[in-house]
Amino acid sequence: QSALTQPPSASGSPGQSVTISCTGTSSDVGGYNYVSWYQQHPGKAPKLMISEVTKRPSGVPDRFSGSKSGNTASLTVSGLQAEDEADYYCSSYAGSNIYVFGTGTKVTVL
Amino acid sequence: QVQLVQSGAEVKKPGASVKVSCQASGYSFTTYYLHWVRQAPGQGLEWMGILNPSGGSTTYAQNFQGRVTMTRDTSTSTLYMEVSSLRSEDTAVYYCAREPRGSGTYDYWGQGTLVTVSS
Repeated sequence: QSALTQPPSASGSPGQSVTISCTGTSSDVGGYNYVSWYQQHPGKAPKLMISEVTKRPSGVPDRFSGSKSGNTASLTVSGLQAEDEADYYCSSYAGSNIYVFGTGTKVTVL
Repeated sequence: QVQLVQSGAEVKKPGASVKVSCQASGYSFTTYYLHWVRQAPGQGLEWMGILNPSGGSTTYAQNFQGRVTMTRDTSTSTLYMEVSSLRSEDTAVYYCAREPRGSGTYDYWGQGTLVTVSS
């Protein structure tokens, strides 16, 4: 199972929006609505930001939103804040109890 | 509150084995799937495998089949992962993570366990 493809980096000024893509195949991202997104600050465990493509867990700011079209899922962070600077990873179910992560994207707040 | 508390850092020599534990609390242990995920220094997240605590069934990523064994002890709500034939490339932080069944989502994570493989 190959890793999902994410851009290595993305950036934006405070208050702007940034969108991160996560491209897979019809066997993972395109085949299931089980795409989730995680935020990871240096030295910390990942934190769930979006589940099942679009669901935002309690406590996650509504500046974070998810979507999917075909084999590509996306995470959008609106109204960027300094604390949003982190690594972001997507994850997808790939069938037969197999799961896969994306390659990761470093978001920089300029 | 839900907690996943992992065992402490380990230093192992190449060829040795390591067993990492993850003790769950704050929820019914057998009603959520559990996963292991690793992260090599400066690298991304890598899914290793899943265990269903209810029956103990497991599925491993192809990269780890034959070298990783996941088990659990329901009496202590503890998940274990053993990696054998360690090599330097296995140096990483290993995380356990909980999945609400049927969600494909890791909603709680352990704090991570650093395993260093060095001669």
